[in-house]
Amino acid sequence: DAGVIQSPRHEVTEMGQEVTLRCKPISGHNSLFWYRQTMMRGLELLIYFNNNVPIDDSGMPEDRFSAKMPNASFSTLKIQPSEPRDSAVYFCASSLGRGSPPAFFGQGTRLTVV
Amino acid sequence: AQKVTQAQTEISVVEKEDVTLDCVYETRDTTYYLFWYKQPPSGELVFLIRRNSFDEQNEISGRYSWNFQKSTSSFNFTITASQVVDSAVYFCALSEAIREGAQKLVFGQGTRLTINP
Repeated sequence: DAGVIQSPRHEVTEMGQEVTLRCKPISGHNSLFWYRQTMMRGLELLIYFNNNVPIDDSGMPEDRFSAKMPNASFSTLKIQPSEPRDSAVYFCASSLGRGSPPAFFGQGTRLTVV
Repeated sequence: AQKVTQAQTEISVVEKEDVTLDCVYETRDTTYYLFWYKQPPSGELVFLIRRNSFDEQNEISGRYSWNFQKSTSSFNFTITASQVVDSAVYFCALSEAIREGAQKLVFGQGTRLTINP
């Protein structure tokens, strides 16, 4: 199994631009999580999907952030417009299903907004 | 809410020394999972172990060992005969129930471990 795959690995963009981060969960996993890692706040959950449906988005910082999961093998996290304070590493993780916490994370996308 | 405390922000030891990373947690759940992750300089989160709250047996995997003590809410991680490649940030994490029976991970702030040659 290839594990959780994220793209791109690195993204540098200018303030105000739209940024889209992508994630392919482990095949057969029904739950998908987006986490953000910053120096100030550490690792925090942004949003959780189960069977492609967003279940808990209480961690999404503001309306500039949106996430979708159009099918079981693909999810996106979009920031529009991006701001310098969005600079962070964004991780995606997946798990077998409800009741199973995520164990395996993707390699992360390091986002820099200048 | 759940909480994970890794009191050691940074540890520096000389190669071949043993080192223990502390993790203390708070939870109201009767069933939960504990995890350890390694984050090397390349940035990925490498899964090391998952422990169910009902299983208090200590575990050893090569040079790595874990001591789970429910009575003190601790899940400590020991590296024996440390090597330079062990240098990384190590995170302890605790599962927390969220909506509709799902579980998320709550992470500690991490311990930066430096192994000097």
